[in-house]
Amino acid sequence: TQLLEQSPQFLSIQEGENLTVYCNSSSVFSSLQWYRQEPGEGPVLLVTVVTGGEVKKLKRLTFQFGDARKDSSLHITAAQPGDTGLYLCAGARRAGNQFYFGTGTSLTVIP
Amino acid sequence: NAGVTQTPKFQVLKTGQSMTLQCAQDMNHEYMSWYRQDPGMGLRLIHYSVGAGITDQGEVPNGYNVSRSTTEDFPLRLLSAAPSQTSVYFCASSYSGGHTDTQYFGPGTRLTVL
Repeated sequence: TQLLEQSPQFLSIQEGENLTVYCNSSSVFSSLQWYRQEPGEGPVLLVTVVTGGEVKKLKRLTFQFGDARKDSSLHITAAQPGDTGLYLCAGARRAGNQFYFGTGTSLTVIP
Repeated sequence: NAGVTQTPKFQVLKTGQSMTLQCAQDMNHEYMSWYRQDPGMGLRLIHYSVGAGITDQGEVPNGYNVSRSTTEDFPLRLLSAAPSQTSVYFCASSYSGGHTDTQYFGPGTRLTVL
């Protein structure tokens, strides 16, 4: 059983559309990270959120940490083909040094 | 800086064979870790280390051994490979393993066990 569940698992949209990816858990995390992974490569960190309710923006990407620090969302505005990739959330608990990754969302943006 | 490097990039083993996946980082990071990635399951932590001489188990440690004799290197050993260990393996490092640290990942090793 995965500690973090992501939805949807697959997403295929047209260029210019908006989308939201969700990362949910029943556990509380001290931080939540979002990574993007391209085929044949390792994940690359996009953002870290720490405070409940925190919102961070990275160009057309908006990340939010839930008030209870159990969930997070990633919203992409006006998606572009360069946004194509696997998006992974990862939660850390303050006790211990382990990061728990979500199940992943594979995004394809069609030109 | 090369960052995190992994070798080999691809490997095919027969059931029962042993092998070592190599991982090295040149960022003087204290924390290093090994993950496996399987379709629909994201990344799962196998083992991690918070410094030379210190290792601990993650979510899925069975069938794997690690050691950390230097800050730079963190090899992963498969003692007796099984088909269930077919996966893509990623090594990662971060400054201290803190909950806000950036994890830097290597390019991965794709392992097939026949």
